Amino acid sequence: GAVVSQHPSRVICKSGTSVKIECRSLDFQATTMFWYRQFPKKSLMLMATSNEGSKATYEQGVEKDKFLINHASLTLSTLTVTSAHPEDSSFYICSAHSPLTDEQYFGPGTRLTVT
Amino acid sequence: AQRVTQPEKLLSVFKGAPVELKCNYSYSGSPELFWYVQYSRQRLQLLLRHISRESIKGFTADLNKGETSFHLKKPFAQEEDSAMYYCALTTGGYQKVTFGTGTKLQVIP
Repeated sequence: GAVVSQHPSRVICKSGTSVKIECRSLDFQATTMFWYRQFPKKSLMLMATSNEGSKATYEQGVEKDKFLINHASLTLSTLTVTSAHPEDSSFYICSAHSPLTDEQYFGPGTRLTVT
Repeated sequence: AQRVTQPEKLLSVFKGAPVELKCNYSYSGSPELFWYVQYSRQRLQLLLRHISRESIKGFTADLNKGETSFHLKKPFAQEEDSAMYYCALTTGGYQKVTFGTGTKLQVIP
């Protein structure tokens, strides 16, 4: 089946620094990728929709200058958390939509801790 | 705006008992409904979607537009069904997927 990877799986960074998270579709091309944030014991919150070759569409309340998304190719999207703060600590999950199967495949998630 | 409600955070049933995980939604148009499952230490994965009308791992879900519900059912729970279950809604074309808060199913041996 289709596989989506995320790197890194865990990252700890200092407050004020930036951190980049990669999301790759390993065996299919994804024109659309999604970034979610999951708070403890809560649901997944869609942050933005990333379309290859165009600007990402951010959900209301998500700061686009803070959470930079780049969808450079059909198999790679990156999320950069800029000037991270402790409140940005969370579990970030990406997913990729396969136009062939019309399904959304999820990555394993990245645990970000900002100290 | 669309919304998905899963009223139960935790559902505990004995092995062999029937299971029903509740999901209600609100959306003015014609949504597409899904159930996703997350087993312990694994990633989220699609369980079933209403348009395919399939039965996966013995689970079924029927979209009831009158009651705006998409409850997940299984007649006989198995221990391996223990997991976190999320109901989700999309307005078509995967332009936006809204997830419910999830229900943890615990099957007691």
